[in-house]
Amino acid sequence: KQEVTQIPAALSVPEGENLVLNCSFTDSAIYNLQWFRQDPGKGLTSLLLIQSSQREQTSGRLNASLDKSSGRSTLYIAASQPGDSATYLCAVSGTSWGKLQFGAGTQVVVTP
Amino acid sequence: DTGVSQNPRHKITKRGQNVTFRCDPISEHNRLYWYRQTLGQGPEFLTYFQNEAQLEKSRLLSDRFSAERPKGSFSTLEIQRTEQGDSAMYLCASSPQGALGYTFGSGTRLTVV
Repeated sequence: KQEVTQIPAALSVPEGENLVLNCSFTDSAIYNLQWFRQDPGKGLTSLLLIQSSQREQTSGRLNASLDKSSGRSTLYIAASQPGDSATYLCAVSGTSWGKLQFGAGTQVVVTP
Repeated sequence: DTGVSQNPRHKITKRGQNVTFRCDPISEHNRLYWYRQTLGQGPEFLTYFQNEAQLEKSRLLSDRFSAERPKGSFSTLEIQRTEQGDSAMYLCASSPQGALGYTFGSGTRLTVV
């Protein structure tokens, strides 16, 4: 059974610092891994999707890496801003039709 | 197209009542998913539709839960005889066939009192 773990559960950094969020999964047979952002009381916004054949994806200040063999992914957010404050969730898909298994998320606070 | 729409945004109901939620996916997306999220946890998969066919259901979806997607367009999720443990955010998402990206709605927050 796939289990997805995110460490740390919460993180607080001053504005301008780089953020490093970790995600680990127990079954390396995945189709893809996605990172989402969730603001309080809201739905999820997709940030990055990494297919199983890829090692990383980049979008603006965001970079996500994937190491399937070790069951790990890392999301880097460069030069953090207060607007980056949110909960970040990673999810893996082990099926071709897209069922996602989520971690519990990392709650990020960026202080001005 | 304004994305995935869910209604209502909030629902407060008394224990034992029935509730129904609606999801309108992005029009060209033929895949539709329902998830449930409780406080401090990630979303948990409930069920999956490809067009009008319900192809997968989680064990979380007890007999009190039923979901439909008539004509492969909007979807409804009904909970009968609600219990306090049903209190959660119910999220709907859609994706196009063959593609990998998900679009989530803003969710319906259910509170059972």
